[in-house]
Amino acid sequence: AQSVSQHNHHVILSEAASLELGCNYSYGGTVNLFWYVQYPGQHLQLLLKYFSGDPLVKGIKGFEAEFIKSKFSFNLRKPSVQWSDTAEYFCAEEVFSGGYNKLIFGAGTRLAVHP
Amino acid sequence: IAGITQAPTSQILAAGRRMTLRCTQDMRHNAMYWYRQDLGLGLRLIHYSNTAGTTGKGEVPDGYSVSRANTDDFPLTLASAVPSQTSVYFCASSEGETGELFFGEGSRLTVL
Repeated sequence: AQSVSQHNHHVILSEAASLELGCNYSYGGTVNLFWYVQYPGQHLQLLLKYFSGDPLVKGIKGFEAEFIKSKFSFNLRKPSVQWSDTAEYFCAEEVFSGGYNKLIFGAGTRLAVHP
Repeated sequence: IAGITQAPTSQILAAGRRMTLRCTQDMRHNAMYWYRQDLGLGLRLIHYSNTAGTTGKGEVPDGYSVSRANTDDFPLTLASAVPSQTSVYFCASSEGETGELFFGEGSRLTVL
């Protein structure tokens, strides 16, 4: 069965530090990949997505992610984090199974940014 | 404001009680989903509906049922709640082609 692994469950950074959150997916074929963000007390919202083309994807709020097919990875990066980036981040893979498309989510990474 | 509305936002109920979580969208999306979010497990799909009149089971369907009488509404019912169903429940919709999900604000359910 397809799965998505996020390696870090909790990350603590100081403002202006660089961020990289790991994500590995399991499906070996054509994949659609996503990063969602959930700010405290809010619902999930899309940060960025990759369907095809340039493997370096830019999203909102200065985030980017790189799709590396040979490593089955889709890591999220930001060069300089802000306190407002404190949130939980979910990597997701779209799969077609049982006659429907669905998103498989990773367990999430909680990021705390200290001033 | 366009989007997904869930109700209630929070509920505490006794084990064995029946509970329906409501979800309404006004984006005319064909596909709708119910996920539960649990610490350390991320989001897991409970049930889905590709279009009005059809539903299907996701990863963790046991103890839950759904219906899709029209495009806008997708209620989730717990016939007899158990403590393991304590969770935050998110309804979502998508246009079906892009894969992007739009989420509601969530319903926090506590079963005692």
